[in-house]
Amino acid sequence: AQSVTQLGSHVSVSEGALVLLRCNYSSSVPPYLFWYVQYPNQGLQLLLKYTTGATLVKGINGFEAEFKKSETSFHLTKPSAHMSDAAEYFCAVSKAGGSYIPTFGRGTSLIVHP
Amino acid sequence: NAGVTQTPKFQVLKTGQSMTLQCAQDMNHNSMYWYRQDPGMGLRLIYYSASEGTTDKGEVPNGYNVSRLNKREFSLRLESAAPSQTSVYFCASSEWGGAATEAFFGQGTRLTVV
Repeated sequence: AQSVTQLGSHVSVSEGALVLLRCNYSSSVPPYLFWYVQYPNQGLQLLLKYTTGATLVKGINGFEAEFKKSETSFHLTKPSAHMSDAAEYFCAVSKAGGSYIPTFGRGTSLIVHP
Repeated sequence: NAGVTQTPKFQVLKTGQSMTLQCAQDMNHNSMYWYRQDPGMGLRLIYYSASEGTTDKGEVPNGYNVSRLNKREFSLRLESAAPSQTSVYFCASSEWGGAATEAFFGQGTRLTVV
């Protein structure tokens, strides 16, 4: 079965600092990988996704993630945090084992301090 | 373009009551999903419908039933609500198979069972 592990349920950064949210996946076949963001009292919306091709993927709001097959990782980064980035972030995997059903990690809450 | 619409947004039930959560999407997607979100647990799949006319159990189906009414609509029913079903419920839709596309989410239903 496919699975996703997000390291750290909470990450706290200062405004302007680097954001790094970690995601590791397990898959026996090449996965599709996604990062979603959830703002308070809202549904999830897509930040970026990796399917095939270039391993460095750029998303909305200045976020990017790099697919590293050897490390089974898909960490999310942003060079400079903004207050508006404070939200819950979810890593998700699909296609592993032939299933297209998205499987989500437990989420990481990003806290941005002024 | 409304995307995925869920009703109601909030609901309080007494233990043992029944209710149906409604979900409709206008993106002509084949697949629809119901997830529940609990603190520290991420999103867990309750039921899904890969295509019109089919439904399957997810990770946490006990206490729930679903109906794929047509291609647009996918409802979730709680026959006898329990306090353990207090949660935020999200409906999502996506394409199935082929090129990887992301899941699109509704705004969620906050359900409290007392």
